Amino acid sequence: QKEVEQDPGPLSVPEGAIVSLNCTYSNSAFQYFMWYRQYSRKGPELLMYTYSSGNKEDGRFTAQVDKSSKYISLFIRDSQPSDSATYLCAMSSTTGFQKLVFGTGTRLLVSP
Amino acid sequence: SAVISQKPSRDICQRGTSLTIQCQVDSQVTMMFWYRQQPGQSLTLIATANQGSEATYESGFVIDKFPISRPNLTFSTLTVSNMSPEDSSIYLCSAGLEGGYTFGSGTRLTVV
Repeated sequence: QKEVEQDPGPLSVPEGAIVSLNCTYSNSAFQYFMWYRQYSRKGPELLMYTYSSGNKEDGRFTAQVDKSSKYISLFIRDSQPSDSATYLCAMSSTTGFQKLVFGTGTRLLVSP
Repeated sequence: SAVISQKPSRDICQRGTSLTIQCQVDSQVTMMFWYRQQPGQSLTLIATANQGSEATYESGFVIDKFPISRPNLTFSTLTVSNMSPEDSSIYLCSAGLEGGYTFGSGTRLTVV
């Protein structure tokens, strides 16, 4: 079993839809949770960074962490064609900057 | 947020040769990380580089193949040695910073 599971997609939605992206994990030591967006032929770009459980909102993006269920989500409201990319969840354990463990990424396609 | 400059952005190399990839961070960081991303796959950690100590390699990666230097708190290099076509991939550096981990834009390596 992988430490982090993420549906690879692709997930196809029409412009304006609400998108829900999810990851599950098995390591209860994970405390830091991140979502990255990666466009084709580019490096990952940090979208959201959360510590422990709860919600965090930034513009059209909302990240949720449910540590009791070992489940994290990224919601994108009013999705745009420019949101079409691969979304990677990543997480690390406590104390300091430990190595990140990544999901496989979900490819999102937003059609006009 | 911090910026990581990575170069070269891409290269085509002959098998048996070596390529050195450089990453420069615009602020001081304790830990830097080197990842490999093969086509259609997520990121795999190669090694963690701390300033002033030997890099720590993940299972399946060895120093003779991927020597790393970390001469100061803002710079690191990864060398891909004695390349074969199987080394064709995207190589990414990353740094742990307040507010998350930032990535360079990647080096797309093709070995022919």
